[in-house]
Amino acid sequence: QKEVEQDPGPLSVPEGAIVSLNCTYSNSAFQYFMWYRQYSRKGPELLMYTYSSGNKEDGRFTAQVDKSSKYISLFIRDSQPSDSATYLCAANTGNQFYFGTGTSLTVIP
Amino acid sequence: SQTIHQWPATLVQPVGSPLSLECTVEGTSNPNLYWYRQAAGRGLQLLFYSVGIGQISSEVPQNLSASRPQDRQFILSSKKLLLSDSGFYLCAWGRGGARSNQPQHFGDGTRLSIL
Repeated sequence: QKEVEQDPGPLSVPEGAIVSLNCTYSNSAFQYFMWYRQYSRKGPELLMYTYSSGNKEDGRFTAQVDKSSKYISLFIRDSQPSDSATYLCAANTGNQFYFGTGTSLTVIP
Repeated sequence: SQTIHQWPATLVQPVGSPLSLECTVEGTSNPNLYWYRQAAGRGLQLLFYSVGIGQISSEVPQNLSASRPQDRQFILSSKKLLLSDSGFYLCAWGRGGARSNQPQHFGDGTRLSIL
């Protein structure tokens, strides 16, 4: 079992839709939970992160961690074509980082 | 603010040739540095990480090596490239010491093609 599992998609939604991206993890010791956005031919860009559990909101983006079910979510409201990218979830314990394989999202104008 | 630079962005090399990819970080001291390879659909594979000058840990036995000659410089090398070394190579930095559990930040990667 991988430490962090992510549905690869692809996911295609119309502009303005609410997008839900999800990951599961197996290690109860994980501390930080991260979401990265990666555009084609670019490196991953840190989008949001939370420490331990709970929600964090930043504009149209909300990151959510449910430690009881070991579930990580990223919600995108009012999705835009510029949100089209691959989204990677990640978690860590100490300096050991574990990444999902990424979900490809396309927002259709 | 901190920035990370990786070059070159694209590289085409013949089989058997040497390799040197460079990564530098600005705006921070004593960072942890990482080299990853990203293959389509397979996520990020950690190749090497370093917690200080001259300190390299290898995660995967392979044809590659890494060095850290200066605090904010990380180099990925090979003496003889194989076809299987093709891929997208990413350098990342993170806080060192007690803050080493904080999120990593990535460069824009090098797309390496071996012919």
